[in-house]
Amino acid sequence: NAGVMQNPRHLVRRRGQEARLRCSPMKGHSHVYWYRQLPEEGLKFMVYLQKENIIDESGMPKERFSAEFPKEGPSILRIQQVVRGDSAAYFCASSPPASGGALSYNEQFFGPGTRLTVL
Amino acid sequence: KNEVEQSPQNLTAQEGEFITINCSYSVGISALHWLQQHPGGGIVSLFMLSSGKKKHGRLIATINIQEKHSSLHITASHPRDSAVYICAVKSVIQGAQKLVFGQGTRLTINP
Repeated sequence: NAGVMQNPRHLVRRRGQEARLRCSPMKGHSHVYWYRQLPEEGLKFMVYLQKENIIDESGMPKERFSAEFPKEGPSILRIQQVVRGDSAAYFCASSPPASGGALSYNEQFFGPGTRLTVL
Repeated sequence: KNEVEQSPQNLTAQEGEFITINCSYSVGISALHWLQQHPGGGIVSLFMLSSGKKKHGRLIATINIQEKHSSLHITASHPRDSAVYICAVKSVIQGAQKLVFGQGTRLTINP
């Protein structure tokens, strides 16, 4: 069973370009989470998605950032008109459906991350 | 004050030493992760626990729910244990599934 896959592993963009980061969850996992790690900072939650639904986007910047997890295919984190401050490592994690209701929790498994550099 | 605090922030030790990394949190939680991040940056989940103690090889994780505190111990440390260790909690207050992270503890084990 392959783990969480992210691509590309490294992405270089110039200011103003678009960045698309992809995440394929583990087989059987229908929940995807995106986290950002700015240089010399800790990990921060961005967004939590289930298939075709955004469940919690409280950590997403209000502008230029969007995420989707379509019925078929990987989850995509899209950053439009990138700026130097977007340079960071972006990690995706996945988990199986939570059993036992909203307060239950299933372990999250992390992908290798995409390192975005904005020139 | 962060909701998840780790100490120490940096730790350097000699090979073979017993290592303890601490994590304190201020919110009610349903689960706590210990994660390992190596240079080059991939993240590996070491433990997920909600009570008591877990052991895997030379690693031991404990949690005290009443005191809102967890510790990660490494016995017979080795240079390959050098990494950043991150504590993360799933809060019962802040929504169903997202994790809140500590700042990490950078561990260096010298030969």
